[in-house]
Amino acid sequence: EPEVTQTPSHQVTQMGQEVILRCVPISNHLYFYWYRQILGQKVEFLVSFYNNEISEKSEIFDDQFSVERPDGSNFTLKIRSTKLEDSAMYFCASRPGGAYEAFFGQGTRLTVV
Amino acid sequence: AQTVTQSQPEMSVQEAETVTLSCTYDTSENNYYLFWYKQPPSRQMILVIRQEAYKQQNATENRFSVNFQKAAKSFSLKISDSQLGDTAMYFCAFMRHQGGSEKLVFGKGTKLTVNP
Repeated sequence: EPEVTQTPSHQVTQMGQEVILRCVPISNHLYFYWYRQILGQKVEFLVSFYNNEISEKSEIFDDQFSVERPDGSNFTLKIRSTKLEDSAMYFCASRPGGAYEAFFGQGTRLTVV
Repeated sequence: AQTVTQSQPEMSVQEAETVTLSCTYDTSENNYYLFWYKQPPSRQMILVIRQEAYKQQNATENRFSVNFQKAAKSFSLKISDSQLGDTAMYFCAFMRHQGGSEKLVFGKGTKLTVNP
């Protein structure tokens, strides 16, 4: 069964460093998302992406964040200068056109030290 | 803006018994979807069940069923014959039905523990 794949599963980075979180969505899906879950809290929407551009972004998704779909298969989230409060689980999700079920990856746990 | 409220931070149930998790939501939309996601200790988000707001019939998936009350904006999840593997966080989520890249809005979750 097709699945959303995220790498790495766990990343530790120093404050101020840039990180790139990678996702391979399900191949025929059209809509792509990043969500964030700080430990013990609810899952929060960051950004949605469709037709090679951002459809919507939350107030969390400030200038430090960017997304890209460089080669038609990978979908990346870049955090330019990480802060301690960026420590969280980051989930990638994708959704096919004409359906409303979002399929989630297994998440990347980002720890900023 | 839509909001989703899960009023039970934690619940526990004995194996083989039935448990109901509550969820209410607030929206001015008429067309939308509602979901329950399960997050086991591995922290992966797994879709349990979904409900289209235009359908009056409550969705069921094996041991999982929902009680969808549109007028009351309530969407509870019933787990029958609870199993140890049902131990997880359960998140209720809302999505507008507008077409396009609609996002999920999640509640804060209910931590369910199934006891042997």
